[in-house]
Amino acid sequence: NAGVTQTPKFRILKIGQSMTLQCTQDMNHNYMYWYRQDPGMGLKLIYYSVGAGITDKGEVPNGYNVSRSTTEDFPLRLELAAPSQTSVYFCASARGTTTDNSPLHFGNGTRLTVT
Amino acid sequence: QQPVQSPQAVILREGEDAVINCSSSKALYSVHWYRQKHGEAPVFLMILLKGGEQKGHEKISASFNEKKQQSSLYLTASQLSYSGTYFCGSVGAGGTSYGKLTFGQGTILTVHP
Repeated sequence: NAGVTQTPKFRILKIGQSMTLQCTQDMNHNYMYWYRQDPGMGLKLIYYSVGAGITDKGEVPNGYNVSRSTTEDFPLRLELAAPSQTSVYFCASARGTTTDNSPLHFGNGTRLTVT
Repeated sequence: QQPVQSPQAVILREGEDAVINCSSSKALYSVHWYRQKHGEAPVFLMILLKGGEQKGHEKISASFNEKKQQSSLYLTASQLSYSGTYFCGSVGAGGTSYGKLTFGQGTILTVHP
């Protein structure tokens, strides 16, 4: 059972560079999420998707973009990386919505440093 | 708005009990609890629904008081494996918060032999 897989695990970017964080899940979940985790701040929602072709902004979307062309994949794109984007990024998926009481399944995270 | 967890950190010896609280300023539909070990992904523990029900996972249980907009996580006879950061996630019950899952800042639990 692979679950939610994120790549890469670690990445160092220079200011102004771009990159894509990959996320794929093999549970046929419709709902997928991107969170960032900063020390002592909990998890903040960046973007989410309720199905292929449908995405929406979360709490902290600035500086990021997403796409959802398939049910399995939900990549997160960072354009013009800034030091404020140094964080640990988690992708998660769920079978249903929060009001369906579906738990989130998290990937192992990508630790990104922008210098 | 982010729920507030207390305490921020707690240190226990094996076998001791602990309570972690989660308070929200908004009406809640449900509360999620997750545990994250250092360097790993958060792992789902349980969901609490309106009605004050309690749920359990191993020797970990939780309660939800929707009138007070609070949830508490009870760790009984703690084991070394309980160490980690515990997050509550509140799901809003109405208005613009309906269905939105917002995480607290986390409570760091350390269990010593």
